[in-house]
Amino acid sequence: NAGVMQNPRHLVRRRGQEARLRCSPMKGHSHVYWYRQLPEEGLKFMVYLQKENIIDESGMPKERFSAEFPKEGPSILRIQQVVRGDSAAYFCASSPPQGGTGNTIYFGEGSWLTVV
Amino acid sequence: AQTVTQSQPEMSVQEAETVTLSCTYDTSESNYYLFWYKQPPSRQMILVIRQEAYKQQNATENRFSVNFQKAAKSFSLKISDSQLGDTAMYFCAFMPTSGTYKYIFGTGTRLKVLA
Repeated sequence: NAGVMQNPRHLVRRRGQEARLRCSPMKGHSHVYWYRQLPEEGLKFMVYLQKENIIDESGMPKERFSAEFPKEGPSILRIQQVVRGDSAAYFCASSPPQGGTGNTIYFGEGSWLTVV
Repeated sequence: AQTVTQSQPEMSVQEAETVTLSCTYDTSESNYYLFWYKQPPSRQMILVIRQEAYKQQNATENRFSVNFQKAAKSFSLKISDSQLGDTAMYFCAFMPTSGTYKYIFGTGTRLKVLA
């Protein structure tokens, strides 16, 4: 049973470039969440998606950031025109449809974005 | 606003000893879940233990147990018989049962187990 798969694990981008982070949820999970961890901080919620729907994007920066979870394929977190402050670990998590065990979400191993 | 506070940025404990990490939270919700996650140097987020607020009995998982005081909004983690592999960042997290699955994390406690 594969867990939540994220790639790339490490990504280096120059200022102004685009970063794309991918997340494949656990088998049977239809809900995906993205969290960001800045250096020396806890994880902060960014967005919650179901297939083809954004349910809650209250934690997403208003500009340059977008997320999608298409009918087929992984969820994508896209950061346009990256700046040094975007350097962080981006964690994806997934869960089964609501009503799963204990409201637990399962995290991937994270994608580390470094902007130089 | 819901908040989670971990007031101990760093702690250390001797191998085989017991250590307690503190966590307090603020919410007006009556029903919610609380979690402790471990983040070792590999940076993976590993669920350690989970507590449902409507359950009075404290959760336990092997060497890990919690002291959940709902009235005081306190949720501490006790690690017994500490092992070198317990060295990690530990994050407390809160999630209301209403609304979306939005976890709120504390800022973490860095635990070092000393040989």
